[in-house]
Amino acid sequence: GNSVTQMEGPVTLSEEAFLTINCTYTATGYPSLFWYVQYPGEGLQLLLKATKADDKGSNKGFEATYRKETTSFHLEKGSVQVSDSAVYFCALGTTGGGNKLTFGTGTQLKVEL
Amino acid sequence: DVKVTQSSRYLVKRTGEKVFLECVQDMDHENMFWYRQDPGLGLRLIYFSYDVKMKEKGDIPEGYSVSREKKERFSLILESASTNQTSMYLCASSLGLSAQYFGPGTRLTVT
Repeated sequence: GNSVTQMEGPVTLSEEAFLTINCTYTATGYPSLFWYVQYPGEGLQLLLKATKADDKGSNKGFEATYRKETTSFHLEKGSVQVSDSAVYFCALGTTGGGNKLTFGTGTQLKVEL
Repeated sequence: DVKVTQSSRYLVKRTGEKVFLECVQDMDHENMFWYRQDPGLGLRLIYFSYDVKMKEKGDIPEGYSVSREKKERFSLILESASTNQTSMYLCASSLGLSAQYFGPGTRLTVT
């Protein structure tokens, strides 16, 4: 079946540091890949997505590239801010059955001054 | 912007009560989903619906049921609440194969 593996958190960084959150997946076929972000006390917000191999999703300075050969979709940001502190979820979606998503367990990011 | 609203942000119920969680979306999405979120377990799909009056079990449907009488509304029902159903409940909707859009969540405590 489908599965998503994310690096365990929490990840603690200083402001302006480089961020990488690893995500690998197992899926049949050609899934779409997503990163969601959850700020404290809120629901999940779509951060970025990629629908086919070699696509790069980007938003708010975050980027992730769909790598089929390594089955990965790592999230990166060149310079994090305190306001980026949140929980980040990697997810994959497959065709059929209303596009169910399979989520990773989430990675908490803490950015300190 | 897509808006998904949930009836309550916080809810406290007693063991054995029947609990209704309501979710409404305003973008004519055909797909709607209910998840629960627990620390260390991420999001787990309870039920989803891809059309009015259609429903499919997700990964953890036991103890839950759902209702979708109108396209914009998807209700999650706990027939007899138990303490192990204390959790954050998230509703989402999507159009076709696009990304899912989430509501703010309902934190349910069963005492």
